[in-house]
Amino acid sequence: TQLLEQSPQFLSIQEGENLTVYCNSSSVFSSLQWYRQEPGEGPVLLVTVVTGGEVKKLKRLTFQFGDARKDSSLHITAAQPGDTGLYLCAGAFVGTSYGKLTFGQGTILTVHP
Amino acid sequence: NAGVTQTPKFQVLKTGQSMTLQCAQDMNHNSMYWYRQDPGMGLRLIYYSASEGTTDKGEVPNGYNVSRLNKREFSLRLESAAPSQTSVYFCASSEASGYTEAFFGQGTRLTVV
Repeated sequence: TQLLEQSPQFLSIQEGENLTVYCNSSSVFSSLQWYRQEPGEGPVLLVTVVTGGEVKKLKRLTFQFGDARKDSSLHITAAQPGDTGLYLCAGAFVGTSYGKLTFGQGTILTVHP
Repeated sequence: NAGVTQTPKFQVLKTGQSMTLQCAQDMNHNSMYWYRQDPGMGLRLIYYSASEGTTDKGEVPNGYNVSRLNKREFSLRLESAAPSQTSVYFCASSEASGYTEAFFGQGTRLTVV
């Protein structure tokens, strides 16, 4: 079984602080995605990274894919209460097909005003 | 803009009862998936269908069956519900490539008592 470890599981911070969420595996990903999920809703895609060393930015969110394609991070600058939610990383491992994704455990982020 | 539609949204079953969760997508996607989400465990793949007419087991298939009725519809059946199947169930669809976005329904919250 290919595992994807996500940390931390919980983050509670004040508005304006920075934070980083990590996603790690011992296996190589062909691609990795980050999703955000609101209560009562399904996950919604934030970004897909494919190339080792790739960095993508989405407003205050910065996503990095490790050089070896075994890890990724999500960094939020100057967090706002609207960033509160569940963040999930999901990887497609090399050798899998048909869009099968393995999800991390998720990070519950709470940003206090 | 329906996307992925799941029914029902909530369900309470008694141990041993059976039920079918329905899922339909209107994006002409080839692949469809059923996940379950439990606290601290992210989303785990139950079954998937790479294309119409094919289904395969995911990470946690025991106690479930699926039917890919046509390209649009993918149902999940619990033949004899158990308390361990209390969870939130998500249906998703995507193109076959692992690089593409998975679109999720709003989920079915199932409680087995």
